[in-house]
Amino acid sequence: AQKVTQAQTEISVVEKEDVTLDCVYETRDTTYYLFWYKQPPSGELVFLIRRNSFDEQNEISGRYSWNFQKSTSSFNFTITASQVVDSAVYFCALSGLGGSGNTGKLIFGQGTTLQVKP
Amino acid sequence: SQTIHQWPATLVQPVGSPLSLECTVEGTSNPNLYWYRQAAGRGLQLLFYSVGIGQISSEVPQNLSASRPQDRQFILSSKKLLLSDSGFYLCAFSGTEAFFGQGTRLTVV
Repeated sequence: AQKVTQAQTEISVVEKEDVTLDCVYETRDTTYYLFWYKQPPSGELVFLIRRNSFDEQNEISGRYSWNFQKSTSSFNFTITASQVVDSAVYFCALSGLGGSGNTGKLIFGQGTTLQVKP
Repeated sequence: SQTIHQWPATLVQPVGSPLSLECTVEGTSNPNLYWYRQAAGRGLQLLFYSVGIGQISSEVPQNLSASRPQDRQFILSSKKLLLSDSGFYLCAFSGTEAFFGQGTRLTVV
C-alpha cells in the first residue's frame, strides 16, 4: 500500500530562520512521482515541485530546496531564510504513473503547518 | 494554457439537502479528473477519479457520487447531505502534474 507520512504537524520559526519539512513515503512501485504542494490560508493548492523516482538529484529553486533520498524513502523540503509569506500548510504527495503515463492518483500526507513569525 | 474552474467557492447547506459541485477544465482534452476532500485540519483524501466520459471510480464508500457528462466536466453530487460531508472539496486534473481548482468550502448545518 502507498503511504505518505509527515511527522511534523506544526512548526513555528522566526523570520529568516531555515526550516526543513520532513516527508517519508512507502510504495511498492519502482516508478513513482513525489510532490510538494503549498496551501495558503485561502485554501488553494499551489504546486511546488514534482520529482520522479529515477531522479535523485537535489533541486534548488530560490529559497526552496528539496532533498530526495531513495535509500531512506524521504523527500524533505527546506526553506532557507524563511519569510512570513511562507506561512501555510505544506503537503507532500506520492503518485504512480497512471494508466496512460500521467501522474495518476495522489496520496497525500497529513500536512505540516508552518508558521513564520516576524 | 490549462486551467481548472470550480464553483461555488463556499456553500452552506442544511442536512438532508442535495448537493451539486461542478468542475470544468480548459486547455486539455481527455484529462484524468479527480475529486478530493479535506476535512478540517487534515490531509486530502481522494474520493473519485475519472479517466473518461461516464467512467467513475470511487475510492472510499460514502454519501457522495460523481459524474462526468462531458470530457472536461466533472460533477460531485449528493442526494441528501450529512453533517459529516462538511469539508473542503478540491477538483483536480492531471497531466505531467496535478492541477487543482480553487476549492469549495462546504458547511452542512
